[in-house]
Amino acid sequence: NAGVTQTPKFQVLKTGQSMTLQCAQDMNHNSMYWYRQDPGMGLRLIYYSASEGTTDKGEVPNGYNVSRLNKREFSLRLESAAPSQTSVYFCASSEAPSGFYEQYFGPGTRLTVT
Amino acid sequence: DAKTTQPNSMESNEEEPVHLPCNHSTISGTDYIHWYRQLPSQGPEYVIHGLTSNVNNRMASLAIAEDRKSSTLILHRATLRDAAVYYCILRGDMRFGAGTRLTVKP
Repeated sequence: NAGVTQTPKFQVLKTGQSMTLQCAQDMNHNSMYWYRQDPGMGLRLIYYSASEGTTDKGEVPNGYNVSRLNKREFSLRLESAAPSQTSVYFCASSEAPSGFYEQYFGPGTRLTVT
Repeated sequence: DAKTTQPNSMESNEEEPVHLPCNHSTISGTDYIHWYRQLPSQGPEYVIHGLTSNVNNRMASLAIAEDRKSSTLILHRATLRDAAVYYCILRGDMRFGAGTRLTVKP
């Protein structure tokens, strides 16, 4: 099992450019999440998908959109990148949204916006 | 802000036990307490979680106060590979604070 995979690993964008971060999990999990982590900080939830076909905003959703493409894949889109979106982005999954289940995290995408 | 409070940093000697505290005074009755750790340049890794009773697994033990307003992650014998940032979160909240940076000295 690969677990949670993310592409790309690194990306540099210019202000105003758009891009999509991809995430896939092979654990047959129902719930998936996108977080961002700024230097020296903890993770902040951007969006999550409790189950296929549903998405909900987290703590910091502004400037982002998400798509739950199918049960395996959950993508994060930046329509018009800003320097404030420079961060490390982590995708995670869990069997269900209930607190009974732990989250599994991907390796992260390091994004720099100049 | 995260609903949990942890010390910014702690130090331990190798092969000694480590007790990492977490306060969560506003915890609700249905909130599970989760612990994750993050090694440098990696994604967070699940460590342990619990609701009311103390929990043990191969990585650590979790001691939960009777009133559930605090918990303690216990690493029984710290190794150099345990040096990481440890996060205590309430799973229903899904907010990570800055965590506790654990340094393990040989």
